[in-house]
Amino acid sequence: AQSVAQPEDQVNVAEGNPLTVKCTYSVSGNPYLFWYVQYPNRGLQFLLKYITGDNLVKGSYGFEAEFNKSQTSFHLKKPSALVSDSALYFCAVRDARGSTLGRLYFGRGTQLTVWP
Amino acid sequence: GAGVSQSPSNKVTEKGKDVELRCDPISGHTALYWYRQSLGQGLEFLIYFQGNSAPDKSGLPSDRFSAERTGGSVSTLTIQRTQQEDSAVYLCASSPRGGGGNQPQHFGDGTRLSIL
Repeated sequence: AQSVAQPEDQVNVAEGNPLTVKCTYSVSGNPYLFWYVQYPNRGLQFLLKYITGDNLVKGSYGFEAEFNKSQTSFHLKKPSALVSDSALYFCAVRDARGSTLGRLYFGRGTQLTVWP
Repeated sequence: GAGVSQSPSNKVTEKGKDVELRCDPISGHTALYWYRQSLGQGLEFLIYFQGNSAPDKSGLPSDRFSAERTGGSVSTLTIQRTQQEDSAVYLCASSPRGGGGNQPQHFGDGTRLSIL
């Protein structure tokens, strides 16, 4: 079975401080991992992905994520948060073997609020 | 270029009526996905198309829900005899290929469906 857990429903940080949004996953084979962001009344926007190679992945808007196979985690990070980063963040996983016919398994989302 | 287009953006209808939601994927994308987003339920997978065929319909919640895709492009999701629990945002996504592909899915802005 495949699943994603985002243990925090909400994360609050001050502007300029580093932020972390946590994600852990479960797959049978090797994972393809994704982070998406959703602004109000909009669809999901792709931020970054881990497929293979370097465990530290850099993405859009200064975000990065670190893949940790032993801890089955893929936490999203940013060194200095902006108020405009406030949004709903989703982590997603797909089994690299492709046995799931393409669908992504999403976490329940984490609402990030950055206060001035 | 143009992204995934969904119509209508909002739909309000009475319980018991049928509704049809449309998705126009990114040109050239062979894989198309429907998801449902409800408050407190996160993102729920509905159906996956590869070309015109649907190898994974496992997420359709009941036989009132159906979807088709013609010409390997536009897809329609039909809900018959709508119920209040069908109220949600219906999101469509497309990607260059499905299966075990490592490409991200690109989402439309969704159709917000409200059943009175």
